[in-house]
Amino acid sequence: RKEVEQDPGPFNVPEGATVAFNCTYSNSASQSFFWYRQDCRKEPKLLMSVYSSGNEDGRFTAQLNRASQYISLLIRDSKLSDSATYLCVVNPGRGTSYGKLTFGQGTILTVHP
Amino acid sequence: ETGVTQTPRHLVMGMTNKKSLKCEQHLGHNAMYWYKQSAKKPLELMFVYNFKEQTENNSVPSRFSPECPNSSHLFLHLHTLQPEDSALYLCASSQVADTQYFGPGTRLTVL
Repeated sequence: RKEVEQDPGPFNVPEGATVAFNCTYSNSASQSFFWYRQDCRKEPKLLMSVYSSGNEDGRFTAQLNRASQYISLLIRDSKLSDSATYLCVVNPGRGTSYGKLTFGQGTILTVHP
Repeated sequence: ETGVTQTPRHLVMGMTNKKSLKCEQHLGHNAMYWYKQSAKKPLELMFVYNFKEQTENNSVPSRFSPECPNSSHLFLHLHTLQPEDSALYLCASSQVADTQYFGPGTRLTVL
């Protein structure tokens, strides 16, 4: 089983649509979780951290289910500029494992007019 | 953004060449990282440095040799690479255990 698993997509949605990405992770001791965004031929950039209570940043909502080892990202009212690859990232976060981010392969989103 | 810079941005080298990739962070962070991103594969962590000390070598072949002279600079020395080493090499920095910020990467092609 992959350490971090994502549906690679691609997801093709029209502007204004709501789209959800899912991610599962295998290490039950993982401490922190993130969604990064990577544009074509660019570096990954932090989109948002994911907290146990769920968190929202504008049109983006992230949720964590520790029992199911599952993370989600919901994008509402999609914009053309949301087109990118979305990376699910997990950090074991304990002792010498801190900083050892594990990345999913990414989910490709294309928003069309 | 110029928080983490990498040079060169593109590099083409033969299998017998020796070259070095450079990373510099201007964020006052104390941890730096090298990652490899190949087509259709997730980012792979290669090396971690905390306070200039290497704390992680993720089973990377010895033809990749990192160097961290201070907490702001990180190098990746390349020697006798293989075509399958062609990839995007990304540097990142963070305060230990905090959010990682990535540089723009060096796109490496090994002929």
